[in-house]
Amino acid sequence: NAGVMQNPRHLVRRRGQEARLRCSPMKGHSHVYWYRQLPEEGLKFMVYLQKENIIDESGMPKERFSAEFPKEGPSILRIQQVVRGDSAAYFCASSGDRGNEQFFGPGTRLTVL
Amino acid sequence: RKEVEQDPGPFNVPEGATVAFNCTYSNSASQSFFWYRQDCRKEPKLLMSVYSSGNEDGRFTAQLNRASQYISLLIRDSKLSDSATYLCVVKGTGGFKTIFGAGTRLFVKA
Repeated sequence: NAGVMQNPRHLVRRRGQEARLRCSPMKGHSHVYWYRQLPEEGLKFMVYLQKENIIDESGMPKERFSAEFPKEGPSILRIQQVVRGDSAAYFCASSGDRGNEQFFGPGTRLTVL
Repeated sequence: RKEVEQDPGPFNVPEGATVAFNCTYSNSASQSFFWYRQDCRKEPKLLMSVYSSGNEDGRFTAQLNRASQYISLLIRDSKLSDSATYLCVVKGTGGFKTIFGAGTRLFVKA
């Protein structure tokens, strides 16, 4: 029973490029959450999605960041025109229909040069 | 005031010690509460949910005080492997937005 999968595990981008982070939830889970963790800081909620719908994006920066969770395939967190301040670990979590306990993927560590 | 606040730590304790972490939350309408553990550069892992009646899992005991908006985690007989950052997590009304505390770092030494 595979857990939450994220790829890539490490991503290096130059300033101005685009970063695409992928997350496949646990089997049977239809709720996906994205979090960002800066070095030596706590996790910050970014967005919550169910299949094909964004439910809560109150933690997403207003520009350059977007997320989707299509009917088929993984959830994608997209960061356009990356800047150095985007360097962080991005974690995805999923939960079942009860939406309570969340299970995390291993994260994608984004480094912007 | 932060939505979820934790003891800043770090806590440095010897093996076998009992250690307690505290957490307060600001939204009285919060519905669900959890403790997660995060090892260095790894993903958070669910340690336990926290119920109003309190709950225990082996050496770990979690308690919730809704009146004081306070959550605690007690670790008895600390092991070296307990060294990690412990995250207090509060889930709001509507069941989705989840707030993580900044975490409390624990070092258990031989």
